[in-house]
Amino acid sequence: GQQVMQIPQYQHVQEGEDFTTYCNSSTTLSNIQWYKQRPGGHPVFLIQLVKSGEVKKQKRLTFQFGEAKKNSSLHITATQTTDVGTYFCAGTGGYQKVTFGIGTKLQVIP
Amino acid sequence: DGGITQSPKYLFRKEGQNVTLSCEQNLNHDAMYWYRQDPGQGLRLIYYSQIVNDFQKGDIAEGYSVSREKKESFPLTVTSAQKNPTAFYLCASTLSAGSSYNEQFFGPGTRLTVL
Repeated sequence: GQQVMQIPQYQHVQEGEDFTTYCNSSTTLSNIQWYKQRPGGHPVFLIQLVKSGEVKKQKRLTFQFGEAKKNSSLHITATQTTDVGTYFCAGTGGYQKVTFGIGTKLQVIP
Repeated sequence: DGGITQSPKYLFRKEGQNVTLSCEQNLNHDAMYWYRQDPGQGLRLIYYSQIVNDFQKGDIAEGYSVSREKKESFPLTVTSAQKNPTAFYLCASTLSAGSSYNEQFFGPGTRLTVL
């Protein structure tokens, strides 16, 4: 079945350092979404990528979708304490099945 | 104010008791989902429903049951057959399960503890 692997599972960075989380799917995806979950909260949608090789930016966040539509990354430039949380990717594959990655928990040290 | 509500936020039950978690949405979304979240496990799909009176099993449906009698409501029952029910339960909805744009809106979650 469809699997979405996400690494790393945990990341500690000093405030101001960059951060990247990666997702890899076992199957070709029709789209990939990214969510952020703050501690004690629920996942909140960040973005959806649909096209092969697509790159989208939201302020300090850069999202990429691979050429083969099987991998994706989220990069945060110059992290801030407000970036703390768990970042999930979610891939949509065959039959519109959505599979979430395990998440990357980001800690930012002030 | 549109959104998804889940109640209660915290729930305690004794082992062997069935418990029903509420999920209501006023977004007029067709599709609704239930996920279970455990530390280090991400989000695992329990059940989902694309239309009223229809639902499908997700990856970890054993020990759970659902109903979808109304578009706005998708309650989840955790039965005594669920071997390890203590977890954080999240309900979500999307406008249409078949749409190419399928942003999921999540409720605040219910943290269930079985004693």
